[in-house]
Amino acid sequence: DAGVTQSPTHLIKTRGQQVTLRCSPKSGHDTVSWYQQALGQGPQFIFQYYEEEERQRGNFPDRFSGHQFPNYSSELNVNALLLGDSALYLCASRPAGTRLGGYTFGSGTRLTVV
Amino acid sequence: QKEVEQNSGPLSVPEGAIASLNCTYSDRGSQSFFWYRQYSGKSPELIMFIYSNGDKEDGRFTAQLNKASQYVSLLIRDSQPSDSATYLCAVNAASNTGKLIFGQGTTLQVKP
Repeated sequence: DAGVTQSPTHLIKTRGQQVTLRCSPKSGHDTVSWYQQALGQGPQFIFQYYEEEERQRGNFPDRFSGHQFPNYSSELNVNALLLGDSALYLCASRPAGTRLGGYTFGSGTRLTVV
Repeated sequence: QKEVEQNSGPLSVPEGAIASLNCTYSDRGSQSFFWYRQYSGKSPELIMFIYSNGDKEDGRFTAQLNKASQYVSLLIRDSQPSDSATYLCAVNAASNTGKLIFGQGTTLQVKP
């Protein structure tokens, strides 16, 4: 049973460019959240997708947007990249119907903006 | 005041000892609490969750929750060098059960 899979593993982009990160949730999971983790910090919530809609959003600018597809996979898009966007981007999923349940994290995408 | 606070450490314990990791949170309405382990360069791995006041044991791990004091802890018995990692405390935001709020993590070093 595959867990949460993310692609690509590593990415280097230039300031001002746009990037798309991809996530496939664990089988049986329908809710996907994205987190940003800067070095030495805990993950910060970006947004959550359920039933193909953004349900909740953290304190991130509109440059961060996302999408969820009918097969529950998800994309995170970041426009006009800044040096400060360099971080580990984590996708997390959880099973349907678990309102209070914990999330399973993917291995992450390490984004470096130069 | 940070929403979830942890001592960044490092916490150093000898092999075989009990490691005690602590976390406080600010939102009294929080309903569920999680401990994640993160090895360097890897993603967080869920090791324990707790919803009710008291203790919850799973193997060498015990999670303790005191909602009145807004305090969560994780005890690791018979610590092993392989337990050396960063331990992240996470709390489900009361206003949004889909959002986890993380502390900055405590680095644990278990010395042989």
